[in-house]
Amino acid sequence: AQSVTQPDIHITVSEGASLELRCNYSYGATPYLFWYVQSPGQGLQLLLKYFSGDTLVQGIKGFEAEFKRSQSSFNLRKPSVHWSDAAEYFCAVGANFGNEKLTFGTGTRLTIIP
Amino acid sequence: GAVVSQHPSRVICKSGTSVKIECRSLDFQATTMFWYRQFPKQSLMLMATSNEGSKATYEQGVEKDKFLINHASLTLSTLTVTSAHPEDSSFYICSARDRTSGGANEQFFGPGTRLTVL
Repeated sequence: AQSVTQPDIHITVSEGASLELRCNYSYGATPYLFWYVQSPGQGLQLLLKYFSGDTLVQGIKGFEAEFKRSQSSFNLRKPSVHWSDAAEYFCAVGANFGNEKLTFGTGTRLTIIP
Repeated sequence: GAVVSQHPSRVICKSGTSVKIECRSLDFQATTMFWYRQFPKQSLMLMATSNEGSKATYEQGVEKDKFLINHASLTLSTLTVTSAHPEDSSFYICSARDRTSGGANEQFFGPGTRLTVL
């Protein structure tokens, strides 16, 4: 069964500082990997996704993530955070075929301090 | 493109009543839609997978008679919470998979529906 671990429940960073959110997955084949962001009371917005090819993927809002198969990781990064980045971030893994469901991590809440 | 809407965005109902939540894919056709439930400060828990024209597949522990799912068209799925009770209060989110996405398992999410049962 597939699973996702986000080891950091809550991260606080200063505005303008760099950010890295960790995500580790467990899946028996090549996974599809996603990062979503959720603002309070809102749905999920896709930041970026990895299906195949270049292991460094660029997303919206200046985010990027790197797929490392050897470490089963898909960490999300941003070189300089903005106050508007404060939100909940979810990593998810899915199969690369059919209508397989997504499995979400428990999320990381990001707080930005001025 | 790839917009999913939900209606209503917020609903308050009395205990024992039924509530219907609609999920629509606005600019694409979705053979598969997914219903999630999210408790405060927690992750999304998949409730069921809804396939157009067939019965939904429920996750373990989800009562199919309580959470009725209908996916009557390629752009609409509905979740009906029957005989709602306060413990059903939650944030319900749907997602839809674009039928033209081929092997890509990308889901597009709706904005969610906040259900409060008094």
